Amino acid sequence: DVKVTQSSRYLVKRTGEKVFLECVQDMDHENMFWYRQDPGLGLRLIYFSYDVKMKEKGDIPEGYSVSREKKERFSLILESASTNQTSMYLCASSPPGQFYEQYFGPGTRLTVT
Amino acid sequence: AQSVAQPEDQVNVAEGNPLTVKCTYSVSGNPYLFWYVQYPNRGLQFLLKYITGDNLVKGSYGFEAEFNKSQTSFHLKKPSALVSDSALYFCAVRDIASGSARQLTFGSGTQLTVLP
Repeated sequence: DVKVTQSSRYLVKRTGEKVFLECVQDMDHENMFWYRQDPGLGLRLIYFSYDVKMKEKGDIPEGYSVSREKKERFSLILESASTNQTSMYLCASSPPGQFYEQYFGPGTRLTVT
Repeated sequence: AQSVAQPEDQVNVAEGNPLTVKCTYSVSGNPYLFWYVQYPNRGLQFLLKYITGDNLVKGSYGFEAEFNKSQTSFHLKKPSALVSDSALYFCAVRDIASGSARQLTFGSGTQLTVLP
């Protein structure tokens, strides 16, 4: 089975802090994704990566950056956390090709105070 | 641009009754369509997908979905609901003609509650 793990289930940070969210997948997938999930808004794509050191902006990249130094690991970085970044963050991965489903991690609930 | 709409925020159904969770989509080309489920405090799990072929797609846990091209819909169905089906359901679409073919666009989600 595909396994996608995220470094923390719950995280509390202060406004202005730099925050790192880590995601690791164990199935050698090329594609990895970061979403945020907010009630009534569904999932919105922040960034995705289709190869090591490659990244593309999603729908809401402002205030975020990403890093993919190794194929299995995709990191989401909040350079200076703000209260409006309080959310559930979901990481996902998928094999190459358009018709494969994405496999999701358990999520990190981030609270910025 | 691709988009998907889930017109109902909440669906309640009695245990044993059939359930339907609605989804409509908009794409410029042909769609790939997906349903995911999120149980409380857990990540999203894949339920089923439509790529091509039969319009009725069967998936996990007894769920099925019907692709209707003329109505641009992909409603999720189950003949007999279980209390354990209570969860948040997301529809997603990928436009195979889009330049963003790697991306899925998700709906806003429908909370299904099955009443005992």
